[in-house]
Amino acid sequence: ELKVEQNPLFLSMQEGKNYTIYCNYSTTSDRLYWYRQDPGKSLESLFVLLSNGAVKQEGRLMASLDTKARLSTLHITAAVHDLSATYFCAVDIDDYKLSFGAGTTVTVRA
Amino acid sequence: DTGVSQDPRHKITKRGQNVTFRCDPISEHNRLYWYRQTLGQGPEFLTYFQNEAQLEKSRLLSDRFSAERPKGSFSTLEIQRTEQGDSAMYLCASRRHTEAFFGQGTRLTVV
Repeated sequence: ELKVEQNPLFLSMQEGKNYTIYCNYSTTSDRLYWYRQDPGKSLESLFVLLSNGAVKQEGRLMASLDTKARLSTLHITAAVHDLSATYFCAVDIDDYKLSFGAGTTVTVRA
Repeated sequence: DTGVSQDPRHKITKRGQNVTFRCDPISEHNRLYWYRQTLGQGPEFLTYFQNEAQLEKSRLLSDRFSAERPKGSFSTLEIQRTEQGDSAMYLCASRRHTEAFFGQGTRLTVV
């Protein structure tokens, strides 16, 4: 059974500092997605990573994928309060189903 | 393209009642998914449609749950004889190629 593990599960960030969220998965896949979820809201797509070595950046967020290591990272540069949310990675299984990690709840403090 | 739409947004029901949720996917998206999310967890896959065909059902989907997608357009998810453990956010997503787009979800509370 596929396992998608995120760490840390909770992350308290100080404004202006850099942090990384890790997503490990247990089966072969070359597609990985990152989503953001605000409390009580649905999932907002952040990044779609479609191949080994893929790197995408949007603002203060950068995501990368290493399919050989079965690892994706979400790097946050110079954290700001607006980034407080829960971040999920999801692995694409057999090109039709997404399996999600448990999420990383991020709180940015001044 | 107005995104994935779900109705209702919130539903409170008494234990033992039946409930039905609706999802309208993005037009021309042939793939449609239902997920369930409980507090503090990631979404869990429930079922998948390609056009009107239901191709996979999770073992999480007990016989009290049924989903349909007539004519390959909107989909409904029905829960019969609701239990308190059914309380969750039910998310619908649609997809044409690589990226899946999620609706706002239906939050079900069983009292």
